[in-house]
Amino acid sequence: DAKTTQPTSMDCAEGRAANLPCNHSTISGNEYVYWYRQIHSQGPQYIIHGLKNNETNEMASLIITEDRKSSTLILPHATLRDTAVYYCIVRAYGSGNTGKLIFGQGTTLQVKP
Amino acid sequence: EAQVTQNPRYLITVTGKKLTVTCSQNMNHEYMSWYRQDPGLGLRQIYYSMNVEVTDKGDVPEGYKVSRKEKRNFPLILESPSPNQTSLYFCASSFGTSGAYSYNEQFFGPGTRLTVL
Repeated sequence: DAKTTQPTSMDCAEGRAANLPCNHSTISGNEYVYWYRQIHSQGPQYIIHGLKNNETNEMASLIITEDRKSSTLILPHATLRDTAVYYCIVRAYGSGNTGKLIFGQGTTLQVKP
Repeated sequence: EAQVTQNPRYLITVTGKKLTVTCSQNMNHEYMSWYRQDPGLGLRQIYYSMNVEVTDKGDVPEGYKVSRKEKRNFPLILESPSPNQTSLYFCASSFGTSGAYSYNEQFFGPGTRLTVL
């Protein structure tokens, strides 16, 4: 699975959009980009995933560059409850997959009032 | 409510005293997995199970055992716990890891904080 690079930490004002970048320059054609978050030692929570098209759900939007070497998770209106560690994970699609998620160090997002 | 449950949530024990951490999911998921989380090391996979009676080692299986006799349960067994197994443990599940299910999200339990003295 491809390695990802994320900033260690970011701040965001409450109510503003939080844009969290992720670099995955070695991503392969069969690898999806996933985002999870972990709020203070709770179990990681799935946010969104995508292959090459931009995706949006009730939690966030995922923008993937055309060359798929990087992506951005967007929380459109951050709240204090969005303060968490956000993990960008790249994982291959297909059979034989162990299902393992490789969590890097992630980005600690601090939403401030 | 769809969920993954773990018990106990907190446990302090002594070296060598066998213990079991239970994990149960109510989503009819085929795939289940155990991770441990340690400061500076992130989450690491211990064992996983593709389906009933099918288990395999993850990255850090030493000192752990698992079983998958029923689809919903995937207990983690520490036969002789040692202090280096002090950690935060998470169980996860998903519909599967192959074919159309291979991109599905995984659901995590709330965690079990284990301290081995």
